[in-house]
Amino acid sequence: EPEVTQTPSHQVTQMGQEVILRCVPISNHLYFYWYRQILGQKVEFLVSFYNNEISEKSEIFDDQFSVERPDGSNFTLKIRSTKLEDSAMYFCAMRPDRGATGELFFGEGSRLTVL
Amino acid sequence: LAKTTQPISMDSYEGQEVNITCSHNNIATNDYITWYQQFPSQGPRFIIQGYKTKVTNEVASLFIPADRKSSTLSLPRVSLSDTAVYYCLVGDWEGARDDKIIFGKGTRLHILP
Repeated sequence: EPEVTQTPSHQVTQMGQEVILRCVPISNHLYFYWYRQILGQKVEFLVSFYNNEISEKSEIFDDQFSVERPDGSNFTLKIRSTKLEDSAMYFCAMRPDRGATGELFFGEGSRLTVL
Repeated sequence: LAKTTQPISMDSYEGQEVNITCSHNNIATNDYITWYQQFPSQGPRFIIQGYKTKVTNEVASLFIPADRKSSTLSLPRVSLSDTAVYYCLVGDWEGARDDKIIFGKGTRLHILP
């Protein structure tokens, strides 16, 4: 099974600091997603990304968040000025195409702790 | 997006067959039904997907009645390692309607020895 690699696995930061979470794409996967999961809660959709553009985003994904995939390299999620409530696991996911299968390949997650 | 309803939690014993039912009354014609499994501190993992009738793979079976307003994930002979949260998702993964793949609250399955 293809593996999605995320870095860092855990990051501790001070409130107000910028954080960048990275995800190494699986070869030939074209559709990318970020999710977050606050401890003990459900997996929440943040954003989907295709062809260097945001396809969909949730109300959580406000101006403090941005995503990019410069030059077809790592897929990144940036939080410009972190808040305490941004503490969560952040999962990157991807799929190869918009075929009928709803199979997303998830990374192991990046745990963000905002102090 | 079709709304899904699942039991919040279930307990079962090792060696038993476990059936988790998901309701999706407003499923659309082009929607597929997909199930994921999530262990603590890990990302969700795809288990199975179906459109109608029955689908089986090495991990589970998925039963979908003719009206498609519900589906049942069946895990044969569970073990302690099947303790996880199971999510039912319904959506038009192929169509151009949207590209949000939304997880509900899932069913927390606890397997007892």
